[in-house]
Amino acid sequence: GAVVSQHPSRVICKSGTSVKIECRSLDFQATTMFWYRQFPKQSLMLMATSNEGSKATYEQGVEKDKFLINHASLTLSTLTVTSAHPEDSSFYICSAKPGGSGNQPQHFGDGTRLSIL
Amino acid sequence: GEDVEQSLFLSVREGDSSVINCTYTDSSSTYLYWYKQEPGAGLQLLTYIFSNMDMKQDQRLTVLLNKKDKHLSLRIADTQTGDSAIYFCAVGNYQLIWGAGTKLIIKP
Repeated sequence: GAVVSQHPSRVICKSGTSVKIECRSLDFQATTMFWYRQFPKQSLMLMATSNEGSKATYEQGVEKDKFLINHASLTLSTLTVTSAHPEDSSFYICSAKPGGSGNQPQHFGDGTRLSIL
Repeated sequence: GEDVEQSLFLSVREGDSSVINCTYTDSSSTYLYWYKQEPGAGLQLLTYIFSNMDMKQDQRLTVLLNKKDKHLSLRIADTQTGDSAIYFCAVGNYQLIWGAGTKLIIKP
């Protein structure tokens, strides 16, 4: 089945640090990847939609200069949380949608738990 | 905007069947998904159904879709302790609209 690898799984760092999270589709090409944020005991909140080779589309209220997304290849998208602060602490999850004909379900990475001290 | 609603909790006895329900408002959704999230983990795609289907069965899992009522359900037969998790309903075509998740609690 389709596998999405997300790294790192957990990050603890000081306030003001920038943190990069990688999302890779291991056995399929993903023209579209999605980045979600999940607060404790809540559902997923879509942050942005990332299309290979073009700029990401951010959801309302998500700062694009704060959360930099790069989707340079069909198998890799990165999310960089710039100058992270404690309020950025959260569980970040990526998903990848296979390309090709027909609609395919999104497959999720295992998530990254970000803790800013 | 479009909405997806689920009960927050469901408690069942081990060995019984669990039925998790979901209602949605977007009648144009082509794909309807069930995802499972175990504590501290990411999301696992359990199953999905196309909007032109009424039912899909996969081993212990049965998905029922009532398009008229915009109601989706996930039935887990012979519920085991390993089924304890939060189950998310998500619907859409391209971007997904998510329910808040139903926490399945298994009683011995």
